[in-house]
Amino acid sequence: AQSVTQLDSQVPVFEEAPVELRCNYSSSVSVYLFWYVQYPNQGLQLLLKYLSGSTLVKGINGFEAEFNKSQTSFHLRKPSVHISDTAEYFCAVINTGGFKTIFGAGTRLFVKA
Amino acid sequence: NAGVTQTPKFQVLKTGQSMTLQCAQDMNHEYMSWYRQDPGMGLRLIHYSVGAGITDQGEVPNGYNVSRSTTEDFPLRLLSAAPSQTSVYFCASSTGRGDQPQHFGDGTRLSIL
Repeated sequence: AQSVTQLDSQVPVFEEAPVELRCNYSSSVSVYLFWYVQYPNQGLQLLLKYLSGSTLVKGINGFEAEFNKSQTSFHLRKPSVHISDTAEYFCAVINTGGFKTIFGAGTRLFVKA
Repeated sequence: NAGVTQTPKFQVLKTGQSMTLQCAQDMNHEYMSWYRQDPGMGLRLIHYSVGAGITDQGEVPNGYNVSRSTTEDFPLRLLSAAPSQTSVYFCASSTGRGDQPQHFGDGTRLSIL
């Protein structure tokens, strides 16, 4: 079975500052990793995904994430955030032979002017 | 490009009432699922389907029924609404391949009085 832990429930940050949203996962088998973003009153949409290969993956809106197999982490980063990045971010995992996605509890990012 | 469409967007029910949340997708996806989202708990899987005529229980199935008579539609039925079912419900679809993301509807916000 897999599990996902998002280490921060809320992250306040000032506009143009860098941000890191932390995600750790647990699995006994190979997994694919995803980050989704949820803007207010909307469904989740894909931000980026790691399947294999380069451990640094780039997504939409200037976000990137780094897969670290030894630390079983997949932290999300952005070097300079905007007010419009205010949203909830979900880390998710799925085993490579499966179809059921396991989501973390979410991290709410607040970007302040 | 409709994607995943959920109706209604909002609903208020009285305890004991029944209702059906509708979900339709136009991407010919085999895999569909229903989640509920509650504060601090991320998304919890209620039921899922890997194709027409095939459904299975997720993490929190009690009090809900589903059916999948066509590839496009996956309705969720509340049999006898309870206040504990007050939540935001999301329908999602995907190809069923683990390396492909899920596509979400905009959600149904349900209050049970």
